[in-house]
Amino acid sequence: GENVEQHPSTLSVQEGDSAVIKCTYSDSASNYFPWYKQELGKRPQLIIDIRSNVGEKKDQRIAVTLNKTAKHFSLHITETQPEDSAVYFCAAILGSNYKLTFGKGTLLTVNP
Amino acid sequence: EADIYQTPRYLVIGTGKKITLECSQTMGHDKMYWYQQDPGMELHLIHYSYGVNSTEKGDLSSESTVSRIRTEHFPLTLESARPSHTSQYLCATQRNTEAFFGQGTRLTVV
Repeated sequence: GENVEQHPSTLSVQEGDSAVIKCTYSDSASNYFPWYKQELGKRPQLIIDIRSNVGEKKDQRIAVTLNKTAKHFSLHITETQPEDSAVYFCAAILGSNYKLTFGKGTLLTVNP
Repeated sequence: EADIYQTPRYLVIGTGKKITLECSQTMGHDKMYWYQQDPGMELHLIHYSYGVNSTEKGDLSSESTVSRIRTEHFPLTLESARPSHTSQYLCATQRNTEAFFGQGTRLTVV
């Protein structure tokens, strides 16, 4: 069925290092790929997104890349800080009803 | 202020009780979702709706039901609560491509 796979499920890095989270999707018609951040005890919130007509998008320390041929996209966080610690979810619009489907999430821990 | 309101925020209830978790939105969005989430874990889709009188079951069988009589309101009902239902329940809406989440209801079944 239509789904979004996300890896890794947990990621631990030292402050200042980079973190990369990867996702793959099944529906080749998908054209929108957002990333959500959920801090402890809070609701998920959109942090960045990318549409299929571009290969990369940056916003300060975060960037997303998209490879439509391979059907995968990635979140890159540079110069990580303790406040980046959270669960990150990738998502894709799948199917003719434009249903937003989430990956299983990645728990990122940034160690001071 | 346009937002998604979930009530109650916290609920402790006995096994076998019937409960309804409320979700209301003032954003005017057609698509709405219910997710079950354990702390720091995956968002399990349990129900979704594309508009009034439209409801679909999600990937997780949670023994719950929903209704969508009005655009603003998408309540979730558990007919007979069990300890396995202990979790956080998140309601969300979708406008075009973006999802917006409520603050959640943390349910404990004892």
